[in-house]
Amino acid sequence: TQLLEQSPQFLSIQEGENLTVYCNSSSVFSSLQWYRQEPGEGPVLLVTVVTGGEVKKLKRLTFQFGDARKDSSLHITAAQPGDTGLYLCAGLLYTGRRALTFGSGTRLQVQP
Amino acid sequence: DTAVSQTPKYLVTQMGNDKSIKCEQNLGHDTMYWYKQDSKKFLKIMFSYNNKELIINETVPNRFSPKSPDKAHLNLHINSLELGDSAVYFCASSQTNGQPQHFGDGTRLSIL
Repeated sequence: TQLLEQSPQFLSIQEGENLTVYCNSSSVFSSLQWYRQEPGEGPVLLVTVVTGGEVKKLKRLTFQFGDARKDSSLHITAAQPGDTGLYLCAGLLYTGRRALTFGSGTRLQVQP
Repeated sequence: DTAVSQTPKYLVTQMGNDKSIKCEQNLGHDTMYWYKQDSKKFLKIMFSYNNKELIINETVPNRFSPKSPDKAHLNLHINSLELGDSAVYFCASSQTNGQPQHFGDGTRLSIL
């Protein structure tokens, strides 16, 4: 079992639709990061959330950190083909080793 | 200027051979990492170095040996390559351990 479970694993939607990706765990994280990875490239950081209940917006992307700092969500409004990619959440455990643990990933395809 | 660059981008070799992957970062970061991404896109940390010192060494076979000649470079040498080593290997760096990471574009290793 993964420490960070993402759902859904795959998502194929039409341009203009809204979607939400979830990142869940039973562990508490001191911070959580979201990355997007495109084919043939490395992951690129989108946002870091640190405070329980925190909400951050990046244009049409809204990120939320759960109140208990065990989960996070990414909501995309009016998805565009350019949003296509692999979305990865990564958490830094509150206690224990100081290394990022990556989620299982959500592969998003936005059809024009 | 590429922030984190790793070479080669592709590596195709026979089982049993020894190979090296090089990584350099020009961001002035203190911490560098090696990750392995398998065919299911799961990204798992292998090693982490902070100012040339090894700080994280996951359960990786000792055929894998990282070397950090200075804080801007982290190389990965792999002895006696096996079929299961086929994957994409990513180098990354961050200001300090656990902070948001900048990734290279990956080295796709294929074992014949």
